[in-house]
Amino acid sequence: NAGVTQTPKFQVLKTGQSMTLQCAQDMNHEYMSWYRQDPGMGLRLIHYSVGAGITDQGEVPNGYNVSRSTTEDFPLRLLSAAPSQTSVYFCASRGQMNTEAFFGQGTRLTVV
Amino acid sequence: AQSVAQPEDQVNVAEGNPLTVKCTYSVSGNPYLFWYVQYPNRGLQFLLKYITGDNLVKGSYGFEAEFNKSQTSFHLKKPSALVSDSALYFCAVRDRANAGNMLTFGGGTRLMVKP
Repeated sequence: NAGVTQTPKFQVLKTGQSMTLQCAQDMNHEYMSWYRQDPGMGLRLIHYSVGAGITDQGEVPNGYNVSRSTTEDFPLRLLSAAPSQTSVYFCASRGQMNTEAFFGQGTRLTVV
Repeated sequence: AQSVAQPEDQVNVAEGNPLTVKCTYSVSGNPYLFWYVQYPNRGLQFLLKYITGDNLVKGSYGFEAEFNKSQTSFHLKKPSALVSDSALYFCAVRDRANAGNMLTFGGGTRLMVKP
């Protein structure tokens, strides 16, 4: 049972490039979310999904897109990377009957 | 709206001494409260949660936390700190009124336990 898997673990992008951060969970969880972690600011919610086909914006959605075509996968797309998007990104999932969320190992993204 | 405050960026404690990491929260309804720990270059690991019932909840690695509704606090405690407890600790809240609510995190507190 792998839990929440994020790929890649590290990525360097040039300003203006696009990329997709992958997130997959094998726990059949309904709820999935993306956070970014910046020093002193904790984790801030980017986008989330309450089920396949349903997504919504979090606190800091600008510059990011998501989709949820399956229960297992919740990719995060950076449309045109900016240095302000340099951060560590975490994907999390939670089942409807769970109270706590489970987190992936994170993706460290640097935009130069 | 929901929010979390962790007033201390860093807490220093000597090994063997008790530790407290502070957390206060704000939600419009009743809260689910959580503590997570992050070791260097790792993801977040769940430590403990308050759902309902006893105000003192026990979690992993000897940690416990006390829910205080009147003070809207959920401080993390451990009777005797270990050097291996040194890590970044996050408090988080979720309003239980809506099952689809996501977590809101505090800014994190770095715990340094010195030998």
